[in-house]
Amino acid sequence: GAGVSQTPSNKVTEKGKYVELRCDPISGHTALYWYRQSLGQGPEFLIYFQGTGAADDSGLPNDRFFAVRPEGSVSTLKIQRTERGDSAVYLCASSLTTRRLGRTNNEQFFGPGTRLTVL
Amino acid sequence: AQSVSQHNHHVILSEAASLELGCNYSYGGTVNLFWYVQYPGQHLQLLLKYFSGDPLVKGIKGFEAEFIKSKFSFNLRKPSVQWSDTAEYFCAVNARGNNDMRFGAGTRLTVKP
Repeated sequence: GAGVSQTPSNKVTEKGKYVELRCDPISGHTALYWYRQSLGQGPEFLIYFQGTGAADDSGLPNDRFFAVRPEGSVSTLKIQRTERGDSAVYLCASSLTTRRLGRTNNEQFFGPGTRLTVL
Repeated sequence: AQSVSQHNHHVILSEAASLELGCNYSYGGTVNLFWYVQYPGQHLQLLLKYFSGDPLVKGIKGFEAEFIKSKFSFNLRKPSVQWSDTAEYFCAVNARGNNDMRFGAGTRLTVKP
């Protein structure tokens, strides 16, 4: 079946501009996650949605970053007044959270990412 | 908050050599543990996971990992690597009750033919 998809695959923008990155999760997955991966680093958690609401946005670096998921499916990560330091690969993941034997199984499936370059 | 450390940044092996990649995490509570792999030009894929039960976990492509709770470790192993195993490997931890996943910095594995 279809996996997580992200658009665009590449985005080049100028410092100070506004960008939107889109994520289409696996159909039926209730949880959606955004990560940022800088060169030579592992993915860094940004925000997590359960349904339409942001259940945990503790990873957003500052108030220039915002994400929405209005209908509980597609999500958009929005970055205002982009800076060169925002350049990274932005990853989206989704999961179908289940509980068994008291443990939460929230295996995440990742999309291909959007490579953002801020000039 | 939990954190993950991977001991090796870059490992170079010849084909048929045995592999062990270290992963330690810091968190006192119950955790879920994962190893993800990222082949060149491809997105992150799950290699194996541990939620509960047998601490020795078998994954795809002959990989396995052992959860040692007393050592806060979840090392990845493969008895005989292949050239096609060349990739970046990430260890990740998800603490019970949290939904964010914490990743290590990754270990780049290069297998020489």
